[in-house]
Amino acid sequence: GENVEQHPSTLSVQEGDSAVIKCTYSDSASNYFPWYKQELGKRPQLIIDIRSNVGEKKDQRIAVTLNKTAKHFSLHITETQPEDSAVYFCAASMSDYKLSFGAGTTVTVRA
Amino acid sequence: EAGVAQSPRYKIIEKRQSVAFWCNPISGHATLYWYQQILGQGPKLLIQFQNNGVVDDSQLPKDRFSAERLKGVDSTLKIQPAKLEDSAVYLCASSFGVSGEAFFGQGTRLTVV
Repeated sequence: GENVEQHPSTLSVQEGDSAVIKCTYSDSASNYFPWYKQELGKRPQLIIDIRSNVGEKKDQRIAVTLNKTAKHFSLHITETQPEDSAVYFCAASMSDYKLSFGAGTTVTVRA
Repeated sequence: EAGVAQSPRYKIIEKRQSVAFWCNPISGHATLYWYQQILGQGPKLLIQFQNNGVVDDSQLPKDRFSAERLKGVDSTLKIQPAKLEDSAVYLCASSFGVSGEAFFGQGTRLTVV
């Protein structure tokens, strides 16, 4: 089955700086890569996703890049703000089949 | 649109007891997932349904866990008997299928004592 590894497990950044989280996946057939944000005690919510036919996608301060050859994808958050503090999960799936999650990255934005 | 509904929100049981969780997905969503999220870890897929059929249950501990999705809408997840290590948040999610985005419910926090 799909194995998703996520690094780092914790990330502390100064407000205004950038944050980068990296994930690798094992199954080359995976073609859908979403990122979820989970605030303490709340449900995971989708913040951005990318499909395998696209190399990069951006939405305001967040962007995701995908390298299919190397089987890794990354989340980039620019100009971080205190409300960006949360746990971020990457995931991978094959056309909605078996959405597998990474272990999560706890991001803390220092004011 | 209404979100994914789960109940109960919290449950405390003693080990070896039974427990059941209920999920009502977003209307029209064919795909339904049950995930187990242990504190400090990412969600782990237990079972995936497509309509009322099981797509994947390879990580479901079938000796104690069972799930069903009768009529392809609501789903229940049961644990019988529960163990201490089953303490976790059980998340239900649904997706339309084509879009890929999975919408999560609030989860049920299970504590086994």
